[in-house]
Amino acid sequence: ILNVEQSPQSLHVQEGDSTNFTCSFPSSNFYALHWYRWETAKSPEALFVMTLNGDEKKKGRISATLNTKEGYSYLYIKGSQPEDSATYLCAFISAETNFGNEKLTFGTGTRLTIIP
Amino acid sequence: DTGVSQDPRHKITKRGQNVTFRCDPISEHNRLYWYRQTLGQGPEFLTYFQNEAQLEKSRLLSDRFSAERPKGSFSTLEIQRTEQGDSAMYLCASSPNRGRDTIYFGEGSWLTVV
Repeated sequence: ILNVEQSPQSLHVQEGDSTNFTCSFPSSNFYALHWYRWETAKSPEALFVMTLNGDEKKKGRISATLNTKEGYSYLYIKGSQPEDSATYLCAFISAETNFGNEKLTFGTGTRLTIIP
Repeated sequence: DTGVSQDPRHKITKRGQNVTFRCDPISEHNRLYWYRQTLGQGPEFLTYFQNEAQLEKSRLLSDRFSAERPKGSFSTLEIQRTEQGDSAMYLCASSPNRGRDTIYFGEGSWLTVV
């Protein structure tokens, strides 16, 4: 059983402040790590697909880093806005895939609330 | 491209009834996945299709669950003789056959078994 953990479980941040949270995953058999943002009543929105150790990706005010050797990824949000309120999920794909099945193993998410 | 669509979005059913969910993936996406999410947990993998072939099933998928993807286009997930423990959100996702690509999710189908 693959163990993917996210911390913290929930976070309240003042509008304008920056924040970050963590995803921990197995450091062996790494294939890819996905980050999603999930707002209530919407579909999970893909943010990043990270594949190489040392990867840094950026999308607007959101960025992510990847350390496959120690098994963690950080997601950063700069200058938080109310629309950033959502649950942020990371999902790990093991290199031990069957038939090309890129099966995502999700963490339980970090629920972010931005306080206006 | 309208994204992954799922139907119905919400379903309330009595215990013992059968339910079926439909997923229309993004056109030309060869890979299709079903996941299930229960309260407080991240989505959990149920099954995977490569075109019309169902190539992997999770142990979470009991004999009461069956999924199909005829002609490699839309997919259906049927639950027979529903139980209260089946109450969850059922998510469908699709991706192109290019490896390490973005996996796109639908909005999910909420099932409540009463």
